[in-house]
Order: sequence, then C-alpha cells, then structure tokens
Amino acid sequence: DIQMTQSPSTLSASVGDRVTITCRASQSISSWLAWYQQKPGKAPKLLIYKASSLESGVPSRFSGSGSGTEFTLTISSLQPDDFATYYCQEYNGYPLTFGGGTKVEIK
Amino acid sequence: EVQLVESGGGLAKPGGSLRLSCAASGFTFSGYSMNWVRQAPGKGLEWVSSISSSGSYIYYADSLKGRFTISRDNAKNSLYLQMNSLRAEDTAVYYCARVRSSRENYVDAFDIWGQGTMVTVSS
Repeated sequence: DIQMTQSPSTLSASVGDRVTITCRASQSISSWLAWYQQKPGKAPKLLIYKASSLESGVPSRFSGSGSGTEFTLTISSLQPDDFATYYCQEYNGYPLTFGGGTKVEIK
Repeated sequence: EVQLVESGGGLAKPGGSLRLSCAASGFTFSGYSMNWVRQAPGKGLEWVSSISSSGSYIYYADSLKGRFTISRDNAKNSLYLQMNSLRAEDTAVYYCARVRSSRENYVDAFDIWGQGTMVTVSS
C-alpha cells in the first residue's frame, strides 16, 4: 500500500503570507494526487486534482505542483478564510490513501 | 443543486451493526463511482470503500477485514454501507463522496461530499 506523508503537521502563518505544504508518496503515483481543505465540523472540499489542476470555483491563489513522489500545495497569499486543515490524497489505485493533514493556524 | 445526504448513524454496541445511507440528488447518480470515507474524532481522513457506477466493482480498506459491505441502488439514487461486528475504533464521522469523472470503475478525486453522519460504538 502507498503511504502519504504530509509536512508540516502544523503551520503558523499570517494573512498575506505565502504558504507551502508538502506531500510525499512512498512510491510513484504519477500525477494522481488531490488536495482538500477541511474546516472544523465540515466536510472536506476539493481544491486541486491531478496534482496541479484547479477545481472549478477554487480561488487562483491555490496551486499544486509535483509528480512522482513529491508534491506541494501553495497558497500564494493567505486569506482569513484559508485557516483550515489540508489533506493530500493519492488515487493511483486501490487502496486509496490520505496524508495525515496539515493544520494552518493564525500566527 | 448537487447534493449528498448521509443518514443512519448513531450509537451502537461493540459487536453490533448499523446501516448507513447516502441519498444523492442533482446529478445522474448511476453515472458515478461512489465512496465512503471516515474520520475518527480529532483524526485525519481514512478511505473506507468504493463502488463503481454499475456496482460491479467494489473495493475495501484492508483494515475492515470483511466487516463492512458497500452497495448501491441506482433506481433509488442511494449508496449504502452495512457495518457489522462494530468495534470502538469504528467510531467516526462517515462521509459519502462522489468521484469527479463519470466513467465506470475510474479512480479519481472526490468532488462532492455529504455532510457526514456520526457513528459511535460504545457499551
């Protein structure tokens, strides 16, 4: 099974900061990676699919990059609505695996 | 409006059973693979099971060891998860989620999620 490792687990940042979250796969997953945002008590929301494709309706300050085993989610200028937990997910094949999550907190 | 609404959660005793349902609306349910994902209190997301659009292809997380059964009724626009031999570690919010692409047995990101239903396993 593929293991997904996210870092950092917690990130403290200020509004306007550029934020980068990393996700590493234990083996190559090509570009079969998604990023989700989750706020407390809410369902996850898809931000990025196929490593770098922006889901419809998601602000352009979110971007994804990478392929193979290393991926990043970047928020170019952090907004108040972006304080949340972010998860990566690989969908190279079954079983599907999520990363452990990165909580973005207010500094 | 595209929507998924879960129901059926609640309190169950260890060794007991529950059946979760997910009602879909606003899209052609029969055209999409569907999934269950769970989240234990304060923990991350865990994929549970997937079923293809026709129901012909089914996948489970290894950790379930045959205790859970996913199914769907395309005539009723509904997805189900039968959970047997429940354990304390099954306590979680259970989400149903749709894959992005409407292709049979196609693995993809999850673009539509329900609000979740809480399952608590305790004596």
